[in-house]
Amino acid sequence: AQSVAQPEDQVNVAEGNPLTVKCTYSVSGNPYLFWYVQYPNRGLQFLLKYITGDNLVKGSYGFEAEFNKSQTSFHLKKPSALVSDSALYFCAVRDEGSNYQLIWGAGTKLIIKP
Amino acid sequence: DAGVIQSPRHEVTEMGQEVTLRCKPISGHNSLFWYRQTMMRGLELLIYFNNNVPIDDSGMPEDRFSAKMPNASFSTLKIQPSEPRDSAVYFCASSLAGGGSYEQYFGPGTRLTVT
Repeated sequence: AQSVAQPEDQVNVAEGNPLTVKCTYSVSGNPYLFWYVQYPNRGLQFLLKYITGDNLVKGSYGFEAEFNKSQTSFHLKKPSALVSDSALYFCAVRDEGSNYQLIWGAGTKLIIKP
Repeated sequence: DAGVIQSPRHEVTEMGQEVTLRCKPISGHNSLFWYRQTMMRGLELLIYFNNNVPIDDSGMPEDRFSAKMPNASFSTLKIQPSEPRDSAVYFCASSLAGGGSYEQYFGPGTRLTVT
């Protein structure tokens, strides 16, 4: 069965430190992977995606994610966290066999402390 | 571009009343999605339109929910009659093509409270 897991409900990081938000997936074909961010009282906002090519994907606001096929992971990273990065982060995957359905993770709340 | 526009931003209504949520997708996008977000169930896809045609409505909870897309620039989600368990944030999103390799752009959402 297709699934996406974000194993951490919440991640706490001090400002200036590197951050990682974890995501693992299970799909039957080649995955299309996405990260979205949701700020309070706002809609989800696209950060980055992996479709094919380089395993390291760079996105908005200095975020990047590394696709690891052997570990079926797509962790979101940033070298130096900002307080303004505090938000809810969602990982999503689309099975190559589907042309629209996204499977969403439950979300990880990222808190950056000054 | 103004992005995906949703109205109203907040809706408070009494049980049994009809509720209509509105969405204007990004110009040129041919796919439109309605989602519902709750703490308990997370983000759920309700219905997906492609080129104004409903392709997948399997996520619509029950017959009380209906959605239309009369043209490429407007969609509605209607709940009639509304119930307290319908309280949630409803998002509209649009994308190019089927949204597969194309990211979805979300509106700000409508926070619905049914008392």
